[in-house]
Amino acid sequence: GENVEQHPSTLSVQEGDSAVIKCTYSDSASNYFPWYKQELGKGSQLIIDIRSNVGEKKDQRIAVTLNKTAKHFSLHITETQPEDSAVYFCAASISSNDYKLSFGAGTTVTVRA
Amino acid sequence: DGGITQSPKYLFRKEGQNVTLSCEQNLNHDAMYWYRQDPGQGLRLIYYSQIVNDFQKGDIAEGYSVSREKKESFPLTVTSAQKNPTAFYLCVSSKQGANTEAFFGQGTRLTVV
Repeated sequence: GENVEQHPSTLSVQEGDSAVIKCTYSDSASNYFPWYKQELGKGSQLIIDIRSNVGEKKDQRIAVTLNKTAKHFSLHITETQPEDSAVYFCAASISSNDYKLSFGAGTTVTVRA
Repeated sequence: DGGITQSPKYLFRKEGQNVTLSCEQNLNHDAMYWYRQDPGQGLRLIYYSQIVNDFQKGDIAEGYSVSREKKESFPLTVTSAQKNPTAFYLCVSSKQGANTEAFFGQGTRLTVV
């Protein structure tokens, strides 16, 4: 099955700096890549996603890039703020395979004030 | 408020006993998933269900069983056949379709004593 690896497992950044989380996937048929943010004591939320026909997508301070050849995708958070502190999960799925999600291990991001 | 609830948060089990972890969601999600996380590893898929009364094995289904009698509920039973059951278990639910928005439970930490 699909194997998604996520790095780093923890990331500490100074407020205002950028944070980058990288994921690789194994199944070249994967074509949908969502990112989720899970905050302590709260539910999770989809923050951004990208499909395999697009190389980059941006939404305000968050951007995701996809390199299909290398089978990796990354989350970029610019101008980090304390409320960005959370656990972030990347995932990959194949739209022709019932959208079964394969998740990375998660990255705990801490933004220092 | 809608959400996904796992219980209990911590669970202790004696060797040789079966134990059932609860996962309930009121988000009207069709798909529900059970993942296992071990230290330093990613989320590994145990079982998933995309519709009531139907479920499929994930990558590490041996020693586990599930049922999906109701759309809202997807309990996971860790049987005595699971050789190394001590782990963190995470339940996830998601919408079906092109925008697979997933919601995470808070997790259950199972310890075999």
